[in-house]
Amino acid sequence: TQLLEQSPQFLSIQEGENLTVYCNSSSVFSSLQWYRQEPGEGPVLLVTVVTGGEVKKLKRLTFQFGDARKDSSLHITAAQPGDTGLYLCAGATQGGSEKLVFGKGTKLTVNP
Amino acid sequence: DVKVTQSSRYLVKRTGEKVFLECVQDMDHENMFWYRQDPGLGLRLIYFSYDVKMKEKGDIPEGYSVSREKKERFSLILESASTNQTSMYLCASSSPVFLRADEQFFGPGTRLTVL
Repeated sequence: TQLLEQSPQFLSIQEGENLTVYCNSSSVFSSLQWYRQEPGEGPVLLVTVVTGGEVKKLKRLTFQFGDARKDSSLHITAAQPGDTGLYLCAGATQGGSEKLVFGKGTKLTVNP
Repeated sequence: DVKVTQSSRYLVKRTGEKVFLECVQDMDHENMFWYRQDPGLGLRLIYFSYDVKMKEKGDIPEGYSVSREKKERFSLILESASTNQTSMYLCASSSPVFLRADEQFFGPGTRLTVL
C-alpha cells in the first residue's frame, strides 16, 4: 500500500509568519497535487507538479516536487488568516492514473 | 468552471435505513469517485467509475454500492446504514480527455450522521 505522510499534522501561527508543510513517501509518484479544504467544503486543487525537482509558485505559495518524485513541500510566505484550512497532498502512482493516494492533511490556522 | 454538486449537505439517518447519496457533475467528465473523510484517517476511496455502468472498488467498499446510469450522475448507496458509516462523504470527478486525469474536482460534501 502506498502511503503519503504529511507533517506537521497541526500548525498554528501568527499572521505574517512563514511556514512549510511536508509530504513524504517511500514510493515514487508520477505526479503530485496539493489541495486546500475549508471547513464544511470539498478540497480545491491548488497545483499539480509532475517533474522531479519542479518548483511552482502561486502568489505566496511555493510548491516543490522532490528530485526522486517521492516527496513534496508547500511553503507559504507571510501567511494570512485567509490561508487557514486543511492542506492535502495527493499522489498519482502511474502516469495518467485516475486514482490518487491522499495524505491525511495538515490543519493550518493563521491567527490575526 | 467545473461544478460538482451533491444532493444534500447534511443528512441524518437511522441504523438499518437504505441511504442514497447523489452526485452530479456538469463538465462531461469520464471519471467519478466517492470518498469518505474521517478525522485522523484522511480521504479514503470507496468506489470509482470510469464510464457509464462501469465501476471499480476502492480501498473501503464494504457496506457500500454505487450506480452510474448516466455520465453526469454517480450515486453512492448504503444498503443498511450503520453508525460506523457516520462520516463526511465527498464526490469528485476528473477527465483524462479534457484535462489531466489525476486532477480531481470535488463537490462540497455530505455530512452523514447515522443514529
